[in-house]
Amino acid sequence: GAGVSQSPRYKVTKRGQDVTLRCDPISSHATLYWYQQALGQGPEFLTYFNYEAQPDKSGLPSDRFSAERPEGSISTLTIQRTEQRDSAMYRCASSLAGQDEQFFGPGTRLTVL
Amino acid sequence: SQQGEEDPQALSIQEGENATMNCSYKTSINNLQWYRQNSGRGLVHLILIRSNEREKHSGRLRVTLDTSKKSSSLLITASRAADTASYFCATDATGANSKLTFGKGITLSVRP
Repeated sequence: GAGVSQSPRYKVTKRGQDVTLRCDPISSHATLYWYQQALGQGPEFLTYFNYEAQPDKSGLPSDRFSAERPEGSISTLTIQRTEQRDSAMYRCASSLAGQDEQFFGPGTRLTVL
Repeated sequence: SQQGEEDPQALSIQEGENATMNCSYKTSINNLQWYRQNSGRGLVHLILIRSNEREKHSGRLRVTLDTSKKSSSLLITASRAADTASYFCATDATGANSKLTFGKGITLSVRP
């Protein structure tokens, strides 16, 4: 595709609900990253994929967070039993390979009430 | 944890002036990347400089990297009102699986 796309752009949910966010990376890109960005801060790493492999989950805040990329293209980030502190912008990025420029999608603004 | 620390936190200049932003980091890196974020919008990749490079140019942007001092600077020449944004440096630390560690950002305001 022309760029990284994410959906939905905005998600409002009630505490305790599960949410799933989607990322569609640039089609030729092997590597896909998820970041969480709080207001007024820089993005913080959550996890990344190299094709369908997920070598690093070290940034996931708790076991309520999980991510998949089953066919090595589209990825989803699922947050179970959402809490108010999960409210943030969730950004996806992709790169041709590791150690290359990362191109970011527009993000999903998650608000947990 | 945020490895990169940008300086200053905020910068206000007149259109046409140059803007210099600095970034310091703590560990050895594979590369350092600068991003721009306009209010309420996405992160736009500006430039990547690898650890074996000292200076790189892209249009009105000039980035330097001093690995001995663990610091980088971003210079925007002949600034425009449209350059008003937050600027982030992000480091790809050695052995970090290419995950980027971002600073808190610098808010640049360019007055017309």
